[in-house]
Formats: sequence, C-alpha cells, structure tokens
Amino acid sequence: LAKTTQPISMDSYEGQEVNITCSHNNIATNDYITWYQQFPSQGPRFIIQGYKTKVTNEVASLFIPADRKSSTLSLPRVSLSDTAVYYCLVGIDSGGYNKLIFGAGTRLAVHP
Amino acid sequence: GAVVSQHPSWVICKSGTSVKIECRSLDFQATTMFWYRQFPKQSLMLMATSNEGSKATYEQGVEKDKFLINHASLTLSTLTVTSAHPEDSSFYICSANPLRQRNTEAFFGQGTRLTVV
Repeated sequence: LAKTTQPISMDSYEGQEVNITCSHNNIATNDYITWYQQFPSQGPRFIIQGYKTKVTNEVASLFIPADRKSSTLSLPRVSLSDTAVYYCLVGIDSGGYNKLIFGAGTRLAVHP
Repeated sequence: GAVVSQHPSWVICKSGTSVKIECRSLDFQATTMFWYRQFPKQSLMLMATSNEGSKATYEQGVEKDKFLINHASLTLSTLTVTSAHPEDSSFYICSANPLRQRNTEAFFGQGTRLTVV
C-alpha cells in the first residue's frame, strides 16, 4: 500500500509558480503517480500523470526523482481560479483498474 | 476526455427513506466503477468497487446492506442509501476508467450532495 504525504495547505499569489511536493516512500515498481484537482462541490479532475523524470502538459509539470519516493507538481503562474485541493495519488491495482485511495490533499489558496 | 455523469446533483430526503444515486459513463463502457464519500473539508473516502454483472466489493467499515450498489450495465452503476439518517448526509462521487488498464486516467462524476433531514 503506497501511502502519500503532502502539505495540508499552501498559500500563493497570482502570477507565482507553485510547487507541491508529495512523498510516496513505498511506491511499487509498476505504479504511476497521478495528480488530481478538486474544486468545492465538484468531482476531482485529472491534472497530470508520470512515472519518472519530468512530464509537462498545458497546465502543469510533474517532476519525479530517480528513486521515485517523491514527486513535485509545479503550477506555473497561478491565478485565483487555481484555488483548489490538489491530491497526489499512487494507484492500487484492482483487477486491472486503478483503485485510487485519496490522501488528505493540499489545499492551495491563491491570493490577489 | 471521457464523461462520467451523476444524477441527481443534489437530493434532500427524510430520515428513514432510501435514496438512489446514478453514475453513468456517457461515452465509454466501464466494467468497474468506484464510489466515494466526502464529508466537508475532508478527503474522498473510497466506499466500494462496483463490478458489472457481479457483487460490489466494499471497503472495510462500509455497510453493504446500508449502501446497496448495482452495476447492471456497462454504463450504469447505482448507489442506494437505504434508511438514510442525518449522518449519511455527504457528498457522494463516482469514478470510472475508460480503459481496462492500470495507471490510466480516472474520470469522476460531478458528485451528488445528499442531505438527510
């Protein structure tokens, strides 16, 4: 069981880069690291997924060191609309599907 | 991306009654769906895995007779909260993966806010 640990909350200002680090010391060899974003009263939304090194898409970058025991989600130039809870997950296999176990997540507040 | 839709978005019911929540995969088939519950300011808690054509698998501590799950088709899973009580008031969310593979993106429904009065 790969448990994840993240900071409970973070504060930032518009236009800044935000880096959220997640620890997953017991990650399995075949597991990917996935980040989700959740706004109040909505279901989580996929942000990015990676296995090692660096992954970048139109909204974020994900940095994963060689030992894969941690990962860092990087949000460039955040805006007020990025205020949300961010979850780092390592999937748990369930008959071929990922059974996702959510940790506490990081509550990001972006200020004007 | 793929779409998972829940219905209703919110529901208010009287204590002692039962409430059914639907989770549909609109543009893909899902032999497995997951149901979560989320209390205010807390994280999502996995309740059960819904399996098409077979019994659901419940997480430890979740009462299977209280939370009935039916996955009768490849695009629909239902969660019925039986004999609801105020402590069952919560935000219920379902998810599904379009591809039967590990480490693929999961899509979540918009959630259903249940209030038991």
